[in-house]
Amino acid sequence: GQNIDQPTEMTATEGAIVQINCTYQTSGFNGLFWYQQHAGEAPTFLSYNVLDGLEEKGRFSSFLSRSKGYSYLLLKELQMKDSASYLCAPMDSNYQLIWGAGTKLIIKP
Amino acid sequence: DTAVSQTPKYLVTQMGNDKSIKCEQNLGHDTMYWYKQDSKKFLKIMFSYNNKELIINETVPNRFSPKSPDKAHLNLHINSLELGDSAVYFCASSQDMRVTDTQYFGPGTRLTVL
Repeated sequence: GQNIDQPTEMTATEGAIVQINCTYQTSGFNGLFWYQQHAGEAPTFLSYNVLDGLEEKGRFSSFLSRSKGYSYLLLKELQMKDSASYLCAPMDSNYQLIWGAGTKLIIKP
Repeated sequence: DTAVSQTPKYLVTQMGNDKSIKCEQNLGHDTMYWYKQDSKKFLKIMFSYNNKELIINETVPNRFSPKSPDKAHLNLHINSLELGDSAVYFCASSQDMRVTDTQYFGPGTRLTVL
C-alpha cells in the first residue's frame, strides 16, 4: 500500500531552525513535493526533489533519499509567518500525488 | 489576477440537496484536479482532467460528477448531499501531466451539509 508518515505537530522558536521529516512508501516514485498550507488557505508549492540530495531555496531546503524512502524539509531563521502545516507529497508511478496529513508547525516568539 | 478561482468559498446546505462548485484557471494549464480535504486534513484526489478528458477517477460515489466545458474550467456537481460530504474541496491545475509540474490550488470551497 501507499503510506506517508510525518509528525502531527512540531513547535519551534522564532529565529531557530526546524527539520520536518517524512517517510513514504509508494507504488513507484516520480519525485516528492513539499507544500505549505496556512490555516483556512490552499496549499502552495515549496519544493520538488527527484534526485537524492539537498535542494536549497532561500530559507527553505529539502532533502531526499530515495533508497530510504525519506525526505525532510529544513526551515531556517524561522519567522512567525512560517506557522502553517507542511505537506509531504510523493508522486507515484501514475504521476499521482500521495498526500500525508501534514505537520502543523507552531512558531513561538 | 487570480490564477485558480473557485466559487462559492462557503456552501451550507441541507442533506439531500444538489449543489455545484465552479473552478476556473487562467494559467493556460492543460490539467485540472478536484481534491477533498476532510477534518483530519488529508488531501484526497477525486478527479483529474487533461484537456477536458477524464484521466483519474478515484473511488468516489457516483453522486459526484465533474464537468469540463473547456480546459480552463472544471466544475463539480454533487447530487443528494450527505453529512459525510462536509469537507473543504480544492480545485487545482498544472501545466500538464508531466512529472515535474507543480500543482496550483484554488482557495477552496468549505461545504457544510446539515
